[in-house]
Amino acid sequence: KQEVTQIPAALSVPEGENLVLNCSFTDSAIYNLQWFRQDPGKGLTSLLLIQSSQREQTSGRLNASLDKSSGRSTLYIAASQPGDSATYLCARGGGGATNKLIFGTGTLLAVQP
Amino acid sequence: DVKVTQSSRYLVKRTGEKVFLECVQDMDHENMFWYRQDPGLGLRLIYFSYDVKMKEKGDIPEGYSVSREKKERFSLILESASTNQTSMYLCASSRRGQPQHFGDGTRLSIL
Repeated sequence: KQEVTQIPAALSVPEGENLVLNCSFTDSAIYNLQWFRQDPGKGLTSLLLIQSSQREQTSGRLNASLDKSSGRSTLYIAASQPGDSATYLCARGGGGATNKLIFGTGTLLAVQP
Repeated sequence: DVKVTQSSRYLVKRTGEKVFLECVQDMDHENMFWYRQDPGLGLRLIYFSYDVKMKEKGDIPEGYSVSREKKERFSLILESASTNQTSMYLCASSRRGQPQHFGDGTRLSIL
């Protein structure tokens, strides 16, 4: 069964620190990997999508990498801010027209002012 | 910007009731999805649709059905609600092969 794992489940850092969130998946035949942010009681906001042919994607202070051979993706957040506090979810995409997603259980990030 | 709207943020129903959760998207997306999110289990796909009147089961379809009569609207139906269906329900839509866009979710409580 395809699985997606995120470690740690929770993380607390002081403001200004650079941090890395981890995502691992069991099936190396991956089509794409997507990172989402979820604020409490809200839906998901897409942050970055990495296609299987890519190694990384960047958006502002966020950088996501993909290593298919080791079954890992990382989300790097530079100069963290209290507004970055949220749950971060990664999801493995199955490709094709519907690109069905398999989600990890998320990392709850708290950035302390 | 893509807008995915779920009709209710909070809903309380009783066991045995028939429950309808509605989702509307305004970007002419072909694909629509229903997930439930539970602590420790993450998001799990219930059903999805890739065109009007077309639907496919996801990973946990038992106890649910769906309807897609118009392209912009995808309804999730709990035929006879049970307490184990208390959850956060999330709807998403996408163009073919493109990232999914999510609504704000419906927190459903079955008493």
